[in-house]
Amino acid sequence: ETGVTQSPTHLIKTRGQQVTLRCSSQSGHNTVSWYQQALGQGPQFIFQYYREEENGRGNFPPRFSGLQFPNYSSELNVNALELDDSALYLCASSLRGNNSPLHFGNGTRLTVT
Amino acid sequence: AQRVTQPEKLLSVFKGAPVELKCNYSYSGSPELFWYVQYSRQRLQLLLRHISRESIKGFTADLNKGETSFHLKKPFAQEEDSAMYYCALGDNTDKLIFGTGTRLQVFP
Repeated sequence: ETGVTQSPTHLIKTRGQQVTLRCSSQSGHNTVSWYQQALGQGPQFIFQYYREEENGRGNFPPRFSGLQFPNYSSELNVNALELDDSALYLCASSLRGNNSPLHFGNGTRLTVT
Repeated sequence: AQRVTQPEKLLSVFKGAPVELKCNYSYSGSPELFWYVQYSRQRLQLLLRHISRESIKGFTADLNKGETSFHLKKPFAQEEDSAMYYCALGDNTDKLIFGTGTRLQVFP
């Protein structure tokens, strides 16, 4: 069983730039969720993808966007980066169903300077 | 509004002592509650969920709808229990709302 993998592990960007984070879901999972975890906080839901469509979104602006591919892998894109976007970005995969357990990746640490 | 509150940022106990990590939630519907754990240098992982009503690694958690709580308990803490613990609320849309987490330190 292959777990959730995320790339890159660390990233440094400048304010105003754009960034793409990648996630490969666990084998057999068809749903991908993205979370933002700021320092000292719990993960905050950004959005979820199922069947290549956004299926729920948290309180994040439109400059946060995503994609899911036919193989269930996913990308998180953030445009016009702001300093407050500095955080750990977690990807989690699951099998669609009410509150099925999330399987998390190790995250991508994004620093915006 | 849906919310999860973990009032303690840090809980320190000695090995063999009982542990209770507090979690309170705010939700108007029928909640699904979870505890996730993150050990040092490991990824966030599910510890237990209330619908399973099972004990994992000696931990249990009972959903108290009257007090809107889902406290995590273990009668005798072990050093390997030291980790970050997050309580999470599911709103039946596959989205989880996490608390801010409690760091459990178990001293020898």
